Amino acid sequence: GQQLNQSPQSMFIQEGEDVSMNCTSSSIFNTWLWYKQDPGEGPVLLIALYKAGELTSNGRLTAQFGITRKDSFLNISASIPSDVGIYFCAGQLRGSGGSNYKLTFGKGTLLTVNP
Amino acid sequence: GAVVSQHPSRVICKSGTSVKIECRSLDFQATTMFWYRQFPKQSLMLMATSNEGSKATYEQGVEKDKFLINHASLTLSTLTVTSAHPEDSSFYICSASENQPQHFGDGTRLSIL
Repeated sequence: GQQLNQSPQSMFIQEGEDVSMNCTSSSIFNTWLWYKQDPGEGPVLLIALYKAGELTSNGRLTAQFGITRKDSFLNISASIPSDVGIYFCAGQLRGSGGSNYKLTFGKGTLLTVNP
Repeated sequence: GAVVSQHPSRVICKSGTSVKIECRSLDFQATTMFWYRQFPKQSLMLMATSNEGSKATYEQGVEKDKFLINHASLTLSTLTVTSAHPEDSSFYICSASENQPQHFGDGTRLSIL
């Protein structure tokens, strides 16, 4: 199926550094979501974005919905060891009926934080 | 809020067995639930969308007779992997949607011997 272009694929950083990752798409989405997945667990929602240009923060996390509606980025400031995991972006089209609420996922960014 | 419970978390069984996985929304009603499959180091692949009280919509390439989905109530959807074979071994994850966004269960690790 269709996938978003998510980059980078992986990142190795030192504790305390800031991190940035992004997703781009060839098609428009009405909603952008960012999830974090720990090994052996399901993804956990971090931030949801509903309007083009929207900038939203959740603690040390900040995400933006691109003005073209075809991209989004996620920033993590002052990283800590528990930030380790895989981060996924997901785009969603809203429409009538439940089937149009399905998500298109990026391939994920594996984040490693060295203490 | 928005807690999704998935059970069991791990299943190991012999080839030819049918396995049922449950997905429950604990504190909200979910008119739509989704079933995903995830291979190691890969992203989530949508298998099917189930709507309460109606037939599931399967993604291209997913066998509906192999992966039976039932969404009989607003808080429960089940995925049954029928006559499972080793190639069906994977991590299966459900999500539930109260309009949006989707909230995910903790996944089921299925291992077929």
